[in-house]
Order: sequence, then C-alpha cells, then structure tokens
Amino acid sequence: KAGVTQTPRYLIKTRGQQVTLSCSPISGHRSVSWYQQTPGQGLQFLFEYFSETQRNKGNFPGRFSGRQFSNSRSEMNVSTLELGDSALYLCASSLAAIGGTDTQYFGPGTRLTVL
Amino acid sequence: AQSVTQLGSHVSVSEGALVLLRCNYSSSVPPYLFWYVQYPNQGLQLLLKYTSAATLVKGINGFEAEFKKSETSFHLTKPSAHMSDAAEYFCAVSGANNAGNMLTFGGGTRLMVKP
Repeated sequence: KAGVTQTPRYLIKTRGQQVTLSCSPISGHRSVSWYQQTPGQGLQFLFEYFSETQRNKGNFPGRFSGRQFSNSRSEMNVSTLELGDSALYLCASSLAAIGGTDTQYFGPGTRLTVL
Repeated sequence: AQSVTQLGSHVSVSEGALVLLRCNYSSSVPPYLFWYVQYPNQGLQLLLKYTSAATLVKGINGFEAEFKKSETSFHLTKPSAHMSDAAEYFCAVSGANNAGNMLTFGGGTRLMVKP
C-alpha cells in the first residue's frame, strides 16, 4: 500500500505571497492531520480533517487554513507568508478512530522557505 | 492539557551500548503514548505505541518502552545501539478524551552513535 504523499517536497516563496501544500493519505484513511516542524518550536499541531470537516485545530493564526476533499486528499494554505513560516510541514493520515489511539502515518513533508 | 518532556536534546552512545531516551508526560486523562523516529529529510516513522494494554511495549528495530504511571514516564530503550539508529526521536501523547487524533510532541532527542 502506498504511503502518505506530499507535494511539492520543496518550496521557496517570498514574504507576502501565499502557498498551497497538498497531501494524499494512505488509501482507506479518512483522517488527515497537519503539523509544522521548526527548530525553535518543534512539532506543532495545525489542524485535523475528517470527512471534509475540521475536527481539531491548533493554536495558529487564521492565515493558516486547510480543507479536505471527498477522496480524503487534503490541502493546507498559508496566506500572507512571513519569514517565521519557514518550516517543514508534515501531513499524517490515520483510519478514523477518535479517542487518540489511532496510529498516524506521516508523509515526507514539504520544506517551505520564505525569503 | 497534555505535555511531553524529553530529557536531553542530544544523547551520544557507542555502537553496541545501551540506548535510553527519556520521556515524561503530563495528561489529565489516561494517556496514549507514542515514539516516532525521524531520519534526515524524512517524515516521522512510528516505533511503538502504548494504548493501555501491556505496560512493556515492543516496537520495531529492537526498541521497546515501558509505561510507568507512577513516574509518568515512557522511556525508550534498546539493548545494543547500531550506527543506523542515529536519528531524532520524538515522544508524543494523545489523550483518551481526544475528539480526534491530535498528537502533542516532546522537543525531540537527537541520538548519535559513535563507532
């Protein structure tokens, strides 16, 4: 079974621009979560989508948004980019279970650099 | 609220020596605990997870972890380090009342293995 895929793998943008990242979950997985990884803040949860609905949201400004499509693929968008948005953005998929026991499988990430 | 503390951002061991990576958690509900490994320029790979079954959990690549409620710990061990174990390791917690699959991560421990 193919793993979680993320595109693109690398992106370079300038301040003020916007960016869209894409994530395709493992076949059959209905939950997609996004995390931001930076050297200073570590791994931080952005949001989770299940059945096209946002189920959880982390503590990030409204410039960060996401959506999920009927085939469970997900996109996240960052508008008005700031230098501090430079990070590795990781997507993870899981089957569906609530309650926190479900294993999340991570993609390779998208490395975003904001100049 | 949940939190995870990983003692030691860097750990260095000799090849063949015991690996011990420390993780302490704070959770107001029964926790589910995970250890992930990240190799350079890759996403996170699950090593093992604790979901309230056996307190000693065996994972991949010879790693295991023991859940100790009295110490609120979930330390990761491996009897004999191999050069290929050099990577960054993350402990994560998810709560039983989690409405979804949000993971809270520790700061990570970079394991270096000396020949």
